Amino acid sequence: AQKVTQAQTEISVVEKEDVTLDCVYETRDTTYYLFWYKQPPSGELVFLIRRNSFDEQNEISGRYSWNFQKSTSSFNFTITASQVVDSAVYFCALDLYSSASKIIFGSGTRLSIRP
Amino acid sequence: GAVVSQHPSWVICKSGTSVKIECRSLDFQATTMFWYRQFPKQSLMLMATSNEGSKATYEQGVEKDKFLINHASLTLSTLTVTSAHPEDSSFYICSAKTGGGSFGELFFGEGSRLTVL
Repeated sequence: AQKVTQAQTEISVVEKEDVTLDCVYETRDTTYYLFWYKQPPSGELVFLIRRNSFDEQNEISGRYSWNFQKSTSSFNFTITASQVVDSAVYFCALDLYSSASKIIFGSGTRLSIRP
Repeated sequence: GAVVSQHPSWVICKSGTSVKIECRSLDFQATTMFWYRQFPKQSLMLMATSNEGSKATYEQGVEKDKFLINHASLTLSTLTVTSAHPEDSSFYICSAKTGGGSFGELFFGEGSRLTVL
């Protein structure tokens, strides 16, 4: 069965702290994509990253970084020096090659950054 | 980058009426579009896959007669909530896929918030 688990329902940190959002996925497919999306209060989904199953290199984009570990089926997301504008719900998602873009979303993590 | 637009962005209707939501790919052709539903503080749940020129494929538990999907052109898919009731109030999001094959680029619309009174 395919599944994405985001165990952290809500996280609250003070501005400038680093925060890591966990994502664990389950699939028997060997070809797949993993995503992170941000959903601010306005509701639209903001694409953050897509990583394919054959590329385990970690990625850094400004204050954002992602750690993909196939051995533990995890794709964690770290925000360094968090800012109030980072407050949002963050979704991890899985797209299987075999399912033709029927993305499976995790339950989301609500991140609150306090000034 | 590619843009997917939904209209209306929010709608309020009376119970028993039908509501149509449009999803348009503005600068690319989308052979496949997807419709998601999101209840407050919950995740996105796939409702159906919409293929241009053919019938939509609905996920288990989604009533096809309740949620009518039409993908009449390569740039437009519509979701009609028929005889809407308060429990249909939700945030509906579409996505559209570019290119062919299983891994085309996927873009999401900005969502449509439906409130049924």
